[in-house]
Amino acid sequence: DTGVSQDPRHKITKRGQNVTFRCDPISEHNRLYWYRQTLGQGPEFLTYFQNEAQLEKSRLLSDRFSAERPKGSFSTLEIQRTEQGDSAMYLCASSLQGTNTEAFFGQGTRLTVV
Amino acid sequence: DQQVKQNSPSLSVQEGRISILNCDYTNSMFDYFLWYKKYPAEGPTFLISISSIKDKNEDGRFTVFLNKSAKHLSLHIVPSQPGDSAVYFCAAKGAQKLVFGQGTRLTINP
Repeated sequence: DTGVSQDPRHKITKRGQNVTFRCDPISEHNRLYWYRQTLGQGPEFLTYFQNEAQLEKSRLLSDRFSAERPKGSFSTLEIQRTEQGDSAMYLCASSLQGTNTEAFFGQGTRLTVV
Repeated sequence: DQQVKQNSPSLSVQEGRISILNCDYTNSMFDYFLWYKKYPAEGPTFLISISSIKDKNEDGRFTVFLNKSAKHLSLHIVPSQPGDSAVYFCAAKGAQKLVFGQGTRLTINP
């Protein structure tokens, strides 16, 4: 399978715990994006990388959130001290560099904070 | 501020008929537009896109129309099939990231 892969698919955690999600993009894609989707809303941009450089972070990304893409391949998104409001679907997407390029999404990680 | 809006939360269409999903945007700097389809518990799947220099793009049963002066785009699906039932998101690309609308739930009735 050469699509975007996310792990885990589902995560249930207690409030206050830390969680980490992983995304493996399409191998030749140098751009990687993280989005968050809550019920009834469209995906909201969180951050994106070009190769290993994190080029933009949304103000939605509080200081409890951190993302890395250490070798320009896979990426991790960590949420520290989770809160119930963090419950959402976390989506990863990748694309080639350029204006007229499509982003392809993974299956997402569903986070539930109890 | 919602830069991309899909004002119809839901749409119901009879199988075989045309489905028309609409999307409005406010930022004239957007230069590329995309439609995604989403099933429950899955990530969005890319459907079709259009550059701001075009006004129409067609791919099989799917056609996207762009009216830049009105800042409006639409997705036409014809003929509609039961497997088209899903949530459809329009997205606009600006400053290297996608901005999504809220989605329209399309239901195709047999």
